Amino acid sequence: QVQLQESGPGLVKPSETLSLTCTVSGASISSSSYYWGWIRQPPGKGLEWIGIIYYSGNTYYNPSLKSRVTISVDTSKNQFSLKLSSVTAADTAVYYCARQYAYGTWYSDLWGRGTLVTVSS
Amino acid sequence: QSALTQPPSVSGSPGQSVTISCTGTSSDVGGYNRVSWYQQPTGTAPKLMIHEVTNRPSGVPDRFSGSKSGNTASLTISGLQAEDEADYYCSSYRSSNTLVFGGGTKLTVL
Repeated sequence: QVQLQESGPGLVKPSETLSLTCTVSGASISSSSYYWGWIRQPPGKGLEWIGIIYYSGNTYYNPSLKSRVTISVDTSKNQFSLKLSSVTAADTAVYYCARQYAYGTWYSDLWGRGTLVTVSS
Repeated sequence: QSALTQPPSVSGSPGQSVTISCTGTSSDVGGYNRVSWYQQPTGTAPKLMIHEVTNRPSGVPDRFSGSKSGNTASLTISGLQAEDEADYYCSSYRSSNTLVFGGGTKLTVL
């Protein structure tokens, strides 16, 4: 079955760049049917959409994070990645990667288990 | 960007029905049939329950149903069961190719 797995450092210092990778197994990231995205959830708070990428490299970002976010895709490794620059304590959250169905439907039918990233010196 | 508005909490007894609302604007909920609902039990990843306002993915019980009127979408859970206790989040497409979530609603089964 298709699975998504997040990986990356669990601790990042303030002002540095947070980097996470999502590895897709059981399906090709180059499928025309899906976008691949990131969502985060601060401890005890709600979900926040970060952005999505298509296998071709086309991206859409949350306007409130756009100046600090880069999402990229590596089809050869069946992975996509998130970079968030100039982090502060407010970026502490569980970061989920997810598969978002394409064709203008805007829903995520498959999620990773999530990884906690703490921003602290 | 501002989140969609959900009640912080709802509750019901086993067998009863509960409805969770999700209020947005004409730029998101009211303007597009791209509303989804997710269930998130404590400590787990969200699970898709409803997409495109009314559609249930395979495997989701038909006790879960979605609807929309104007700028407000709703998730109704009928025949409440203990296993339904979780946080529920709505999401909607918002103009200019973005997605926005609601603040979440904690469902307690009494």
